[in-house]
Amino acid sequence: AQTVTQSQPEMSVQEAETVTLSCTYDTSESDYYLFWYKQPPSRQMILVIRQEAYKQQNATENRFSVNFQKAAKSFSLKISDSQLGDAAMYFCAYRSLNSGNTPLVFGKGTRLSVIA
Amino acid sequence: NAGVTQTPKFRILKIGQSMTLQCTQDMNHNYMYWYRQDPGMGLKLIYYSVGAGITDKGEVPNGYNVSRSTTEDFPLRLELAAPSQTSVYFCASSYLGQNQPQHFGDGTRLSIL
Repeated sequence: AQTVTQSQPEMSVQEAETVTLSCTYDTSESDYYLFWYKQPPSRQMILVIRQEAYKQQNATENRFSVNFQKAAKSFSLKISDSQLGDAAMYFCAYRSLNSGNTPLVFGKGTRLSVIA
Repeated sequence: NAGVTQTPKFRILKIGQSMTLQCTQDMNHNYMYWYRQDPGMGLKLIYYSVGAGITDKGEVPNGYNVSRSTTEDFPLRLELAAPSQTSVYFCASSYLGQNQPQHFGDGTRLSIL
């Protein structure tokens, strides 16, 4: 079974600075998808960014980018020019590409605080 | 579009009571999911459905039941509430395809006392 590990329970960053959230995963599969979800205090889960394992190019979405290291099974999230609205729990998630509707496997999350 | 709508947002139950958590989506998504989120943890899948009339167990299905009579609705039922079911419950939906993102509702905070 796949597992997702987020080793940083809490992180903080100064407003306008850059922060990187770590995520590692364990799988024997070669094709899969990886996601970062944001959960603000409102509790709603919001997709931040996704990466297909077969793509070597790292995904980017405005101020959010990933560093995907397939051999190391690492999928870190970089937030540039941090804003107060970025404060939230961030969850890394894995999804198999195998046939059938395989579920998302979530890490335990990293709580990000943004300091004004 | 409202997206994924969950009701109620909060509920307190006594041990042994039953209740149904409602979930509806207006995006015509094939897939729907129920997750629970315990404090300090990520989400764990309870049940999911790939379409009307089809449901499957997830990682933690014990103590729950679901039905999917329509594309839009995917209610989750607790028959005999237990303290271990105190959690935040999220409903989600997505289009067909493993790369499709899941759209989540706002969650239901459920306490069993």
